[in-house]
Amino acid sequence: QKEVEQNSGPLSVPEGAIASLNCTYSDRGSQSFFWYRQYSGKSPELIMFIYSNGDKEDGRFTAQLNKASQYVSLLIRDSQPSDSATYLCAVRPQGAQKLVFGQGTRLTINP
Amino acid sequence: EAGVTQFPSHSVIEKGQTVTLRCDPISGHDNLYWYRRVMGKEIKFLLHFVKESKQDESGMPNNRFLAERTGGTYSTLKVQPAELEDSGVYFCASSQDWNYGYTFGSGTRLTVV
Repeated sequence: QKEVEQNSGPLSVPEGAIASLNCTYSDRGSQSFFWYRQYSGKSPELIMFIYSNGDKEDGRFTAQLNKASQYVSLLIRDSQPSDSATYLCAVRPQGAQKLVFGQGTRLTINP
Repeated sequence: EAGVTQFPSHSVIEKGQTVTLRCDPISGHDNLYWYRRVMGKEIKFLLHFVKESKQDESGMPNNRFLAERTGGTYSTLKVQPAELEDSGVYFCASSQDWNYGYTFGSGTRLTVV
């Protein structure tokens, strides 16, 4: 079992709709969770981080964390073509300062 | 504020040669990380510096990889001798407070032929 699992996609969503990206993790003691966006050939860019159970909203983005289910998700409202990218879920394991990444989900927003 | 700078952006070397990658973190960031993405795989941790000290090098694949951080500023990652499986994109990242994630550089694409 991978430490951090994501559906690799591609996930195709029409412009203006909600894109939902999911991630599960295996280390129950994990403390913090991050979503990065990576455009092709570019560096990963931090979108959001979340530490506590529940929802955290930032503009069109909402991160959701459920530690009991070991599940974290990212919702993108009013999806735009510029949101087309690979979205990386990263988890900081308990007691560590490194991040463990999932393989990423490729998202395409169709005009 | 300048971002994390890495160079070269691309490097093509022959198996058995030596390559040195360089990373300049954001000024004032004590934490510096090296990660690698091999084709088709997820981004994987290599090591973590706090200033000039290696905090965690558990991800370094073998002793062909040597990382240094001179005076707590820039860092180098040397691969000697390079093998075919070392091909991939090497990312550097830095942070002041690792609790809030970190900023990545644009990466060095290494191809060993």
